[in-house]
Amino acid sequence: GAGVSQTPSNKVTEKGKYVELRCDPISGHTALYWYRQSLGQGPEFLIYFQGTGAADDSGLPNDRFFAVRPEGSVSTLKIQRTERGDSAVYLCASSLQGWENTGELFFGEGSRLTVL
Amino acid sequence: AQSVAQPEDQVNVAEGNPLTVKCTYSVSGNPYLFWYVQYPNRGLQFLLKYITGDNLVKGSYGFEAEFNKSQTSFHLKKPSALVSDSALYFCAATDSWGKLQFGAGTQVVVTP
Repeated sequence: GAGVSQTPSNKVTEKGKYVELRCDPISGHTALYWYRQSLGQGPEFLIYFQGTGAADDSGLPNDRFFAVRPEGSVSTLKIQRTERGDSAVYLCASSLQGWENTGELFFGEGSRLTVL
Repeated sequence: AQSVAQPEDQVNVAEGNPLTVKCTYSVSGNPYLFWYVQYPNRGLQFLLKYITGDNLVKGSYGFEAEFNKSQTSFHLKKPSALVSDSALYFCAATDSWGKLQFGAGTQVVVTP
């Protein structure tokens, strides 16, 4: 597709359940990012992939959160034992490699997660 | 550690008037600075960036921003605002590849 695609666009789940959020980046973009945005806040960094490997996962809040990108393209953010505080919009972004592309992220429209 | 502050939750301006959205930053190394815009029900869009070179950078839709190292600021400006500029604007900073630190955002409302 032309842009970053995220599915599902909306997910409602119950406390304690497991959730997977999917991101399909722009073709050819080697860098992929996950951010989380709560109401009235700016995006909060979670994890960054360069190819298949997580280059920086320092933003993952705890071990309930995990992300993979096994083939260097599609990524899945996995949340175990969801809590009400996990409710937010989860944003995925991708970018080209190279110093000249620093910070030029292409964002998807996000997956809105609501934990009841 | 990096941090970005946007001191105004909302900026109101009449169409045709100049628009300024303020941003200050704290970055441990050389700063790379960015502005993004979020329209309703749309994803974040890149507007412009400062990496090195001229302190005044120009971006999309007639926006520009001025890097001021002594004041650690990177204010976004537009000489003549349009109603269609009404959106949520985010300033972001990093000192290396990868991890952007975003501000809390400033809602811009342009009235006809």
